[in-house]
Amino acid sequence: GAVVSQHPSWVICKSGTSVKIECRSLDFQATTMFWYRQFPKQSLMLMATSNEGSKATYEQGVEKDKFLINHASLTLSTLTVTSAHPEDSSFYICSATRGPPDQPQHFGDGTRLSIL
Amino acid sequence: SQQGEEDPQALSIQEGENATMNCSYKTSINNLQWYRQNSGRGLVHLILIRSNEREKHSGRLRVTLDTSKKSSSLLITASRAADTASYFCATTEYGNKLVFGAGTILRVKS
Repeated sequence: GAVVSQHPSWVICKSGTSVKIECRSLDFQATTMFWYRQFPKQSLMLMATSNEGSKATYEQGVEKDKFLINHASLTLSTLTVTSAHPEDSSFYICSATRGPPDQPQHFGDGTRLSIL
Repeated sequence: SQQGEEDPQALSIQEGENATMNCSYKTSINNLQWYRQNSGRGLVHLILIRSNEREKHSGRLRVTLDTSKKSSSLLITASRAADTASYFCATTEYGNKLVFGAGTILRVKS
C-alpha cells in the first residue's frame, strides 16, 4: 500500500513553456503532499507543502508565482512551472503522507525537467 | 535548510560486508527517519526511530539514535549489490516537515 504516482517522468521543452507535473496517491488519501527539488548528487530541497483545499505553504526563496501548486483533492496535487527557463531544469519529486507531516512520507518516482 | 549531515559522503564495499552510515543533526527532534534513493528514482522510507528510542531493527537494517550527541547511525548487514543507492536521514520537530541530510552514496560491489 501507500503508492504515489508522479507524471510525467521526463519532460523536455523550450524556454518560456509552462509545465505541469501531477502527483497522485493511488491507494490512500493524503492529508499533506510535498514538492521537492533535487540537483544532481545533492539532497532534497523542500519547495512547498500543500494541503487539500488550502493554499500551499512555500519555503523561503521559492517563488510562488513561478511554481504554482494546486491540491484539488485528497489524492491529487499538481505543480506547474510557469514560463520555465533553463535554470529551472532539475529533478522534481513529490511525496504524500497519510498523517502529520513528520510521519513517513511516500514518494513518487520524480520528474526530470529539462528546459532548452 | 538541511539539518542532518551525513558521513561518509560515499562508501564502497564488497558484497557481504556491513555498511555503516552516520547522521548528525542540530536541533531537538521528534523522530528521525532513514530513506533510500535508487539512481533517478524517488525515495523509499526505510525506518523511523522516535526521540525516546535508542535502537531499532528492520530486517538487515539497524538504526541507533543518540539524542545527547544528536546523532544516528544506519547499519546494513550482509550487504547486497541491490543495496547500492543513496541513503538519507531526515529529521522532524514535532508535527513539522522533514529536513533531509546530504546523503551517503553506497556502492556495493559484487
